[in-house]
Amino acid sequence: QKEVEQDPGPLSVPEGAIVSLNCTYSNSAFQYFMWYRQYSRKGPELLMYTYSSGNKEDGRFTAQVDKSSKYISLFIRDSQPSDSATYLCAMTSGSSASKIIFGSGTRLSIRP
Amino acid sequence: NAGVTQTPKFQVLKTGQSMTLQCAQDMNHEYMSWYRQDPGMGLRLIHYSVGAGITDQGEVPNGYNVSRSTTEDFPLRLLSAAPSQTSVYFCASRGDSSGGAGDTQYFGPGTRLTVL
Repeated sequence: QKEVEQDPGPLSVPEGAIVSLNCTYSNSAFQYFMWYRQYSRKGPELLMYTYSSGNKEDGRFTAQVDKSSKYISLFIRDSQPSDSATYLCAMTSGSSASKIIFGSGTRLSIRP
Repeated sequence: NAGVTQTPKFQVLKTGQSMTLQCAQDMNHEYMSWYRQDPGMGLRLIHYSVGAGITDQGEVPNGYNVSRSTTEDFPLRLLSAAPSQTSVYFCASRGDSSGGAGDTQYFGPGTRLTVL
């Protein structure tokens, strides 16, 4: 079993829809949770970062962490075609990010 | 700032050949790492370095060597290429190797390697 599971998609939604992306994990030591966005043929870029449980909002993006269920989510409101990308969840246990474990990524397409 | 640069962008090797993937950053970052990305597998850590002269293994280190003689450069060497090493390779750097995990990790544009 992988430490981090993520539905690979693809996920296709109409412009303006609310998108929900999710990951589950098995290692209860994970404390730092991240979402990266990766456009086609580009390197990943950090989108959101949260520590421990709770919510974090940044514009149209909200990250949620439920450590009791070992489940994290990324919500995108008012989705735009420019949000079309692969979204990777990532997590690590210690304050040093020497070993960040990534999910396999969910490919998202926003239809105009 | 150029950020994180990688060369070459594309490479085709024959089984058994050796080569070095180059990575450089101009942000004076201490922490650098190499990942490989395969379909359905996400990003897997190959090797990382927390400063010049210090390297350590990640999840999938076999078949790869690294060294870190300067802060700026972190080359990845394939000693004897195998078809299983066909992948996209990303180099990344971040500023604080011991601080919060949220310190932004910058990725390079990637090297697409095919081993025949």
